[in-house]
Amino acid sequence: EAEVAQSPRYKITEKSQAVAFWCDPISGHATLYWYRQILGQGPELLVQFQDESVVDDSQLPKDRFSAERLKGVDSTLKIQPAELGDSAMYLCASSFNYGLAGGIYNEQFFGPGTRLTVL
Amino acid sequence: QKEVEQNSGPLSVPEGAIASLNCTYSDRGSQSFFWYRQYSGKSPELIMSIYSNGDKEDGRFTAQLNKASQYVSLLIRDSQPSDSATYLCAVNPGNNRKLIWGLGTSLAVNP
Repeated sequence: EAEVAQSPRYKITEKSQAVAFWCDPISGHATLYWYRQILGQGPELLVQFQDESVVDDSQLPKDRFSAERLKGVDSTLKIQPAELGDSAMYLCASSFNYGLAGGIYNEQFFGPGTRLTVL
Repeated sequence: QKEVEQNSGPLSVPEGAIASLNCTYSDRGSQSFFWYRQYSGKSPELIMSIYSNGDKEDGRFTAQLNKASQYVSLLIRDSQPSDSATYLCAVNPGNNRKLIWGLGTSLAVNP
């Protein structure tokens, strides 16, 4: 069964250190998303890629966060320096567009996530 | 007014009962609607998607969409303890905008 892969599953780091997360989407999915989820809230979109291009990074704290998807397949999200408030679940999702009854739709599938704890 | 609203719960139902989860949204032009299940400490799992008015059934799950009233619901028949989780409603407002997420409803199915 096709799945979104993420690593690491858990990361503990000290504030001011750099951390990086990796995501490999479902094969054939052109759209890749990075989300951050805080306990008790819905996922917050950080960045969306269409192939290798950034479509939406309006909520990405660009002073410390960066994301890339160089070959339009797997992707890396980096935080430098990490702050205490960055502790959260970081989720990667992927989707593909399909046509249905004259419209274009997509369904997002999530990887297992990376639980980040900043001490 | 929040764009996507869900009752936070917890919603508690006995095993074997029907669980009913509701979601309302504010953007009348919204095009597609999703229910995700999220177990504690895990990532969201897509369980239902619905695009047109009416009911969509998949096993024990039924999604209901009413665009005129701007609500979407999820019914879980014959609820099992393994259904205990948080259920997230997500709405695609169209025009290439990002999904809008509710805060989720916590469901507890009691044996």
